[in-house]
Amino acid sequence: DAGVIQSPRHEVTEMGQEVTLRCKPISGHNSLFWYRQTMMRGLELLIYFNNNVPIDDSGMPEDRFSAKMPNASFSTLKIQPSEPRDSAVYFCAISGHPNYGYTFGSGTRLTVV
Amino acid sequence: AQSVTQLDSHVSVSEGTPVLLRCNYSSSYSPSLFWYVQHPNKGLQLLLKYTSAATLVKGINGFEAEFKKSETSFHLTKPSAHMSDAAEYFCVGAGNTGKLIFGQGTTLQVKP
Repeated sequence: DAGVIQSPRHEVTEMGQEVTLRCKPISGHNSLFWYRQTMMRGLELLIYFNNNVPIDDSGMPEDRFSAKMPNASFSTLKIQPSEPRDSAVYFCAISGHPNYGYTFGSGTRLTVV
Repeated sequence: AQSVTQLDSHVSVSEGTPVLLRCNYSSSYSPSLFWYVQHPNKGLQLLLKYTSAATLVKGINGFEAEFKKSETSFHLTKPSAHMSDAAEYFCVGAGNTGKLIFGQGTTLQVKP
């Protein structure tokens, strides 16, 4: 997982607060993906970028969720305001080409109380 | 449309016995296929990948998978399970849109 660094590893926040999750990928990739994982729904693709441009955000659950990728080395996923049902593990992943699979970060475990 | 189906949500084996995790896919073209493993509270790690070269693919930790086009399968096997193999396993296909398509996952339990 050294190719993708996510921060923070754990986040506990109160309902209504803004949460920002960060992802720092290594260079040499074309695409970056944000996933959410819960026991109930498994892995869900939220959004993905290709060459820093958002391509498909149909998985973003609501307007409370937003993602940016200002450059090839940094991306954020923001939830504002957060709700308890947003509690999940959020993964960032990168890919140079879909045939080579993804490299996943270690994830951010978000708990909204 | 492409889809990936893992046939078992939960598999339990005894340590030292073979492991078989089943995966079927559907695709209108020759796909790229992967197996990922996720240990508790960890990220997803690539076990192995098939990209239309050899149909028998060897991965890390003694795992291998065989691509069988006639059966549209890509089952994951290991001759002898180890306690450390207990984890969630995902069969994944690469779509032509740049996105990966995940199976539902199979939880492997290894009993002493």
